[in-house]
Amino acid sequence: ETGVTQTPRHLVMGMTNKKSLKCEQHLGHNAMYWYKQSAKKPLELMFVYNFKEQTENNSVPSRFSPECPNSSHLFLHLHTLQPEDSALYLCASSQEQGAGHYEQYFGPGTRLTVT
Amino acid sequence: GQNIDQPTEMTATEGAIVQINCTYQTSGFNGLFWYQQHAGEAPTFLSYNVLDGLEEKGRFSSFLSRSKGYSYLLLKELQMKDSASYLCAVRDSNYQLIWGAGTKLIIKP
Repeated sequence: ETGVTQTPRHLVMGMTNKKSLKCEQHLGHNAMYWYKQSAKKPLELMFVYNFKEQTENNSVPSRFSPECPNSSHLFLHLHTLQPEDSALYLCASSQEQGAGHYEQYFGPGTRLTVT
Repeated sequence: GQNIDQPTEMTATEGAIVQINCTYQTSGFNGLFWYQQHAGEAPTFLSYNVLDGLEEKGRFSSFLSRSKGYSYLLLKELQMKDSASYLCAVRDSNYQLIWGAGTKLIIKP
């Protein structure tokens, strides 16, 4: 595997279900991100992990719970979601070393539909 | 608040040139990125500007004017595969990426 991988690619869940999204990066990066992408809206940063430590949580509802067990893996645990949470969830990674133009590498995303 | 503006959609002809504009108002500036995103796929990095001027990479060029809060992405010799969304993002004073909503580019034969 190369780059950033995400599973599953598609997920349909009811509002009472619990599911998890998985992301794995094979680039040796030290930072990982979860984004939400809704149609015709800017990417919304949800969570940032630097060296496995969560550094950003942009007022995300508690029904979304991130987990970063090591610098290569990132999970997003979902429970009691709402229909408006239906979106594309993108994982990204980068090598953060202070100032610099370290671009983010994205996974293919999980298309989530909440029914 | 912080804001990135780009046109929602543009149409161009195969073989032609198109310029996609991006204006920004952010708290601080630490670089501007352009990404390409094909439908159903991940965004992929195209270019980075931190100093004023033009950066050229093959058929794609990106320009930055920090005093005007303005950038553009120039695509030459358009090909059908260039049909995609183009995302502008600015890194602010906290090194957070602020994203635009993207410009959907439609290429016609």
